[in-house]
Amino acid sequence: EAGVAQSPRYKIIEKRQSVAFWCNPISGHATLYWYQQILGQGPKLLIQFQNNGVVDDSQLPKDRFSAERLKGVDSTLKIQPAKLEDSAVYLCASSFTGYGTDTQYFGPGTRLTVL
Amino acid sequence: SQQGEEDPQALSIQEGENATMNCSYKTSINNLQWYRQNSGRGLVHLILIRSNEREKHSGRLRVTLDTSKKSSSLLITASRAADTASYFCATEPSSGSARQLTFGSGTQLTVLP
Repeated sequence: EAGVAQSPRYKIIEKRQSVAFWCNPISGHATLYWYQQILGQGPKLLIQFQNNGVVDDSQLPKDRFSAERLKGVDSTLKIQPAKLEDSAVYLCASSFTGYGTDTQYFGPGTRLTVL
Repeated sequence: SQQGEEDPQALSIQEGENATMNCSYKTSINNLQWYRQNSGRGLVHLILIRSNEREKHSGRLRVTLDTSKKSSSLLITASRAADTASYFCATEPSSGSARQLTFGSGTQLTVLP
């Protein structure tokens, strides 16, 4: 079974530029998550999708971050414009149903460096 | 905000020894999960313990949960160099509409050969 795929793996941009990350979840998984992991910290949930609808985006900085999940499968996370504090690893995860006891499967992440 | 706090922040042991790391959290939970993260990689789910459980085993892993103290511990027995990684606890709150996990700040475990 293929895991969660993310691209790119690394991205370096200058502040005020825009960037987009892509995630392909495990086939059949209804729930998709985007996390931000700053160096030395645990992941922080940015947004959770159930199929193509948003379940929770309370911690997404909506003035600069946006996300969509096309047709309930792939998802993109965009930052525009980027700030220095956005430097982090962006992790995508998926789970079958989204219930709490459901295992979340994580992708390898995209490491973003904002200069 | 980080719900869980792991202790210690870093732990270094010899291969074959046991490693114990602790997690404290603040709010009532449905379950608590432990994840492992190898350097430069995503997180891997290790074990889940429900709020009505006190202890759970999986291979060389033993997890305990004390809801009265809002704390959990992860024990790795007979550690191996391959266990070197960061370990995170994550909690699912018992209230709220979205069942999102909140992760702690992690324990960096180094197992020396």
